[in-house]
Amino acid sequence: KQEVTQIPAALSVPEGENLVLNCSFTDSAIYNLQWFRQDPGKGLTSLLLIQSSQREQTSGRLNASLDKSSGRSTLYIAASQPGDSATYLCAPDSGAGSYQLTFGKGTKLSVIP
Amino acid sequence: GAGVSQSPRYKVAKRGQDVALRCDPISGHVSLFWYQQALGQGPEFLTYFQNEAQLDKSGLPSDRFFAERPEGSVSTLKIQRTQQEDSAVYLCASSLEQARPAFFGQGTRLTVV
Repeated sequence: KQEVTQIPAALSVPEGENLVLNCSFTDSAIYNLQWFRQDPGKGLTSLLLIQSSQREQTSGRLNASLDKSSGRSTLYIAASQPGDSATYLCAPDSGAGSYQLTFGKGTKLSVIP
Repeated sequence: GAGVSQSPRYKVAKRGQDVALRCDPISGHVSLFWYQQALGQGPEFLTYFQNEAQLDKSGLPSDRFFAERPEGSVSTLKIQRTQQEDSAVYLCASSLEQARPAFFGQGTRLTVV
């Protein structure tokens, strides 16, 4: 069974700092990995999707990398802003079907103005 | 609609009561997913529909849980004889074609007392 670990569980940084969120997973037989953002009381917003054939994906200030063989992914956020404050969730698919995402517990990010 | 809509947003049920949670996916979206998110945890897969067909229900925790999507649009997740461990946020997601959750609703927070 896929297990996903996200480190750190919580992170507080001053505005403007660059930061890295880490995700590790136990089963490397995945097709894709997604990073989501969750704001309190709201649903999930998909940030980046990395296919297993890719090494990284970029969207604006966000860059996600994937090392499938070692079971690791990182989300890099450049020049953090208070609006980036949220919980960030990593979700590789199960390999049995891309709809079966396995989520980590998330990293709660606070960006201090 | 503009997004995935779930109702009610909050539900308090007495232990043993039956509940029904509704999901209105984005119009025209073929795929629909239900996830369960316990407090402090990442979402966990429950079930997946393609149109009206329930292709995977392997994540439903017990036979007290039942999901349907009779006309291939609105879906209902029913929980019979609710237990305290059913307390969680129930998230619905839909996507246009791909078998991967793309847009999530805000969720229904179920509290069983």
